[in-house]
Amino acid sequence: DVKVTQSSRYLVKRTGEKVFLECVQDMDHENMFWYRQDPGLGLRLIYFSYDVKMKEKGDIPEGYSVSREKKERFSLILESASTNQTSMYLCASKTGGYEQYFGPGTRLTVT
Amino acid sequence: QKEVEQNSGPLSVPEGAIASLNCTYSDRVSQSFFWYRQYSGKSPELIMSIYSNGDKEDGRFTAQLNKASQYVSLLIRDSQPSDSATYLCAVNRNDYKLSFGAGTTVTVRA
Repeated sequence: DVKVTQSSRYLVKRTGEKVFLECVQDMDHENMFWYRQDPGLGLRLIYFSYDVKMKEKGDIPEGYSVSREKKERFSLILESASTNQTSMYLCASKTGGYEQYFGPGTRLTVT
Repeated sequence: QKEVEQNSGPLSVPEGAIASLNCTYSDRVSQSFFWYRQYSGKSPELIMSIYSNGDKEDGRFTAQLNKASQYVSLLIRDSQPSDSATYLCAVNRNDYKLSFGAGTTVTVRA
C-alpha cells in the first residue's frame, strides 16, 4: 500500500510565524503535490514537484514556497503565516499514472 | 465555467438504495477520471478510476463515463451508513495535475 505521511495532524501558529509542513512518501513516487482544502472551494493546488529539486507553481502559490531535497520528502513553507492561510493542507504523491494518493492532512490554524 | 462540476447535494438516501453522483468536466481532451471518498475530517481516498467510455464496476460501486457528453458518474448500490461521506470527482489536466470538483456529500439514512 502507498503510504503518505504528514508531520502534524493539527497545528496552531501565530500570525507572522514561519511554518513548515512536512510530507513523506515511501513508494519512490516521482511526483508530489500540496493542496489546501476549504469549505465550498474544494481542493486547490498550491505547488507540485515532478522530481528532486524541481517544482512548479499550482493555482494558488502566493504566500507559499516548497522544498524537495530528497525524493521521498516534500515540504511546504508558509513564509509569514496569515489568518487567511488557516486551512486543511493535504499532501499527495503519484508515480507514472494519474492516480494521486493523499496523506492524512494537517489542519493548520493561524491566530 | 468550472473545470469540474458536481451535483451540489447534499444527497440523502435510505439504506439499501442506490446513490447516484454526477460530474461534468470542461476539458474535452481529459482522459483519466477518478472518484475519491472523503470522510469528515479525513483525507480523500481513491475508490474508482475509469479511462474508457462505458461502465466499470468494483463491488457496490459503478463508475460510468461518457466522453462525448463530458460526463462521469458514480453509482453506489445497496448504500450503507458507512458510505456516508463526501465524494470528489477528479479529472486529469495534464501529466501531473488533477482538477477536483467541490464534492457531493452523501448521507445514508438507516
